[in-house]
Amino acid sequence: ETGVTQTPRHLVMGMTNKKSLKCEQHLGHNAMYWYKQSAKKPLELMFVYSLEERVENNSVPSRFSPECPNSSHLFLHLHTLQPEDSALYLCASSQGTGVGAEAFFGQGTRLTVV
Amino acid sequence: LAKTTQPISMDSYEGQEVNITCSHNNIATNDYITWYQQFPSQGPRFIIQGYKTKVTNEVASLFIPADRKSSTLSLPRVSLSDTAVYYCLVGDEKDSSYKLIFGSGTRLLVRP
Repeated sequence: ETGVTQTPRHLVMGMTNKKSLKCEQHLGHNAMYWYKQSAKKPLELMFVYSLEERVENNSVPSRFSPECPNSSHLFLHLHTLQPEDSALYLCASSQGTGVGAEAFFGQGTRLTVV
Repeated sequence: LAKTTQPISMDSYEGQEVNITCSHNNIATNDYITWYQQFPSQGPRFIIQGYKTKVTNEVASLFIPADRKSSTLSLPRVSLSDTAVYYCLVGDEKDSSYKLIFGSGTRLLVRP
């Protein structure tokens, strides 16, 4: 248990569906992240929120839409995804940003787009 | 943005000491060096962090030479459960353009 909880753990969706991934952290951190990890690839940073403000959008397609309503919650809204978007989506939080801060990761959501 | 280079994979046997070296030739004065561990289908987990010389915790040791252009993660007496991918990260906590960028990591396989 890392203090970062992601739901659902597994998700299968069609290309025309709309779904959302949820992340919640109970650590009192002020920064949250979304990462994508495809098979046999490094983690790809998607979005960073610091103090509930988006500070990084790493050239992510608009079919991925993040939302950070407060410092404890982070969502990733998904619509009209492609099969190549199938991956493990990981949420993380830290106190402050940058590698000087220790990041705590959730277990991830395994997404399959059919 | 400091780039890191690690071996793609390493093999070891239970009970051995494993040393994984990371090169970061362009490390900046304010950069820290951090290592994470990742098991399959799980998020990475922080292992250790240092700035210079040697850092030790209950899991590992981190050796950093004086020029800081490389670092070595040392895992004492590995077990099968240490089989994982190990990532070396370098960056300045004040650098707004650096946000926990992971490289390819080193895939460690521990054999019986």
